[in-house]
Amino acid sequence: EIVLTQSPATLSLSPGERATLSCRASQSLSSYLAWYRQKPGQAPRLLIYDASNRATGIPARFSGSGSGTDFTLTITSLEPEDFAVYYCQQRSNWPLTFGGGTKVEIK
Amino acid sequence: EVQLVESGGGLVQPGGSLRLSCAASGFTFRTYWMNWVRQAPGKGLVWVSRINSDGSSTGYADSVKGRFTISRDNAKNTLYLQMNSLRAEDTAVYYCERYQQSSSEDYWGQGTLVTVSS
Repeated sequence: EIVLTQSPATLSLSPGERATLSCRASQSLSSYLAWYRQKPGQAPRLLIYDASNRATGIPARFSGSGSGTDFTLTITSLEPEDFAVYYCQQRSNWPLTFGGGTKVEIK
Repeated sequence: EVQLVESGGGLVQPGGSLRLSCAASGFTFRTYWMNWVRQAPGKGLVWVSRINSDGSSTGYADSVKGRFTISRDNAKNTLYLQMNSLRAEDTAVYYCERYQQSSSEDYWGQGTLVTVSS
C-alpha cells in the first residue's frame, strides 16, 4: 500500500497570502496524484489531477507540480472559500490512498 | 447534470448489517468504474471498495474485506455496498464516487452516515 504524507498538518495564513502544501509518497506514483479540497459538511472536490492539471471549473490560483514521490499544491492568493482541508490522493496503484490532510486556517 | 445520491445509512448495532445504495443519473453509468470512500467523524478520507464498469471485478480495503460486498445494477443505474458484521470503527460518512484514473471531472455523492453503536 502506498503511504502519502502531507505537510504541514495545519497552515495558518491570511486571505490573499500564498499557500504551499506538500505531499510525499512512499513509492513513485509517476504522475497519478490528485488534490482535493473539502469544506465542512461537504464532499471533497477535485482540484488537480495527474499532478498538475486543473480539474474542470477550478480557478487558475490553484496549481500542482511534482512527479515521482514529491508533489506540491500551490494556491497563489487565498480566497475565503479556500480555508478548508486539502487531501492528496494517489491513483497509481490499488488500493487508492489519501494523505492525512492539511488544514488551511485563517490566521 | 451528473448526480450521485446515497441512501441507506443509519444507526445499527455492532454485528449488524446495512446496505447502502447510490443512485446515479446524468451520465452513462454502465461505462464507469465506481468507488465507495468513507470518512470517520473528524478524520480523513479512506477508500473502501471499487467495482469495474460491468461488475466483473471488485476490490476492497483490508479493513472491510470479507465483511463488505460491492455490487451494481447497471439496468437501475445503482451502486450498492452490503455491509455485514459491522463494527464501531465502521462508523463514518460513506460516499460513492464516479472514478476515472485520469480525468478532469470527478463526482461524489453527498454522503450517507452510518453509525455503529449499541
